[in-house]
Amino acid sequence: EAGVTQFPSHSVIEKGQTVTLRCDPISGHDNLYWYRRVMGKEIKFLLHFVKESKQDESGMPNNRFLAERTGGTYSTLKVQPAELEDSGVYFCASSHQLGGGASNEQFFGPGTRLTVL
Amino acid sequence: GENVGLHLPTLSVQEGDNSIINCAYSNSASDYFIWYKQESGKGPQFIIDIRSNMDKRQGQRVTVLLNKTVKHLSLQIAATQPGDSAVYFCAERSAGGTSYGKLTFGQGTILTVHP
Repeated sequence: EAGVTQFPSHSVIEKGQTVTLRCDPISGHDNLYWYRRVMGKEIKFLLHFVKESKQDESGMPNNRFLAERTGGTYSTLKVQPAELEDSGVYFCASSHQLGGGASNEQFFGPGTRLTVL
Repeated sequence: GENVGLHLPTLSVQEGDNSIINCAYSNSASDYFIWYKQESGKGPQFIIDIRSNMDKRQGQRVTVLLNKTVKHLSLQIAATQPGDSAVYFCAERSAGGTSYGKLTFGQGTILTVHP
C-alpha cells in the first residue's frame, strides 16, 4: 500500500511569491490533516478535512493560507503571498475513520520543506 | 537540519541499554496519547498509542505509561538499538467536537544510540 505522498519535497521562493503544496493521502482515507513545523517550534496543527469538507481549520495562521480538497482525494495548501515566517516543514497526514474505540493512526507524509527568502 | 534552533531535550544511550523518554501534556480532554518517531528527512512515524482510560500499554520493545494525575506520559524502549536514533514526539488527540482527531504535539526529544 502506498503511503502519504507530498510534492514538492523542497521549495525555495522569495517573499511575496505564491507556493502550492500538494498532498496525496492513502487511498480510501477520509481524514486528511495538514501540520507544520516552523523552525524553533513544535509540530502544529493547521487543518483537518473529512472527505472534501473542512472539519477544523482552527490552526490556519491567517488568510494567506488556503487549503482545498476537491473531490475528497488529494489536497493542496496554497500560501499567497508567502512571508519569511512561513518557512518550515509542512506535513500532511491521513487516517481512515475516527471513532470506533481506536486511535485511528494518522499516517504522515515526508513533508515539504518550504524556505521563504 | 530541521532540529537546528529547537534546543530539544536530548538523551544519549549505549546500544543495549533501556531508554525512557518523558513528556508532559496539558489537555485533560484528550482521548488518546501517541508516540511518534521522526527520522531525518521523513515524516513522523507512529510507534504506539494509549487510550486515556489506561495507564500502561506494551508493544514490541516499547512500553507507554500514562499518569493522568500529573499529566505525564513516558515511552520506554527496551534494548535500544542504533536504528532507534531519532526525534521522538508525544502527541495527544482531541476527543471531540470540531477538533476531534486533531493532534497536539510535544516539543520532541532527540535520542542518540551509540554502538
